[in-house]
Amino acid sequence: DIVMTQSPDSLAVSLGERATINCKSSQSVLYSSNNKNYLAWHQQKPGQPPKLLIYWASIRESGVPDRFSGSGSGTDFTLTISSLQAEDVAVYYCQQYYGTPLTFGGGTKVEIK
Amino acid sequence: QVQLVQSGAEVKKPGASVRVSCKASGYTFTPYALHWVRQAPGQRLEWMGWINAGDGNTKYSKKFQDRVTITRDTSASTVYIEMRSLRSEDTAVYYCARGGDPGPLDYLFDFWGQGTLVTVSS
Repeated sequence: DIVMTQSPDSLAVSLGERATINCKSSQSVLYSSNNKNYLAWHQQKPGQPPKLLIYWASIRESGVPDRFSGSGSGTDFTLTISSLQAEDVAVYYCQQYYGTPLTFGGGTKVEIK
Repeated sequence: QVQLVQSGAEVKKPGASVRVSCKASGYTFTPYALHWVRQAPGQRLEWMGWINAGDGNTKYSKKFQDRVTITRDTSASTVYIEMRSLRSEDTAVYYCARGGDPGPLDYLFDFWGQGTLVTVSS
């Protein structure tokens, strides 16, 4: 199984400041035949189901604000919120869709400082 | 708009079975994958398995393959998960989630249901 490890477990950021979340996979999720990273980020607000933010490691889902960006390749990935807004308070999960079993990171809780 | 509406909360005793439904609307049901993911208290999201809504093929996580069955009713655009031999550790919120573009993105969850709390308690 591909193990996804996120860091930090939580972070507190001032409004308007940058938040950075890291995700590491235990094996590469880069598929060589198409040069795509099978890595997604989901946002889960309190009491709600997760919501897809980013896929192919860096492609924003339709309707996702451009303050959210994803980067990385192979085994190391980052989700960046460039200017934190109050509505961004949530838990963020990375997920690999390279192969089954599909697996998630443990989540990073983002709060306002 | 795509919607996945799940059945209501369940309370079951250890050893019992439970079936949760997920009704899809707002898109053509059959080409897409539907997955089941659960979230136990304090635990990470855990993928359980998926079904191809078109041909009915399924694949399960090894952890659940002996106790879980995923089925679909194309006439009702609904997917079901049945879990047997419930134990207290199965207490969790169970989510259905649609796969992305059929084929290359089958394993990407692009829309999620609202979740169904299943409580297993004596």
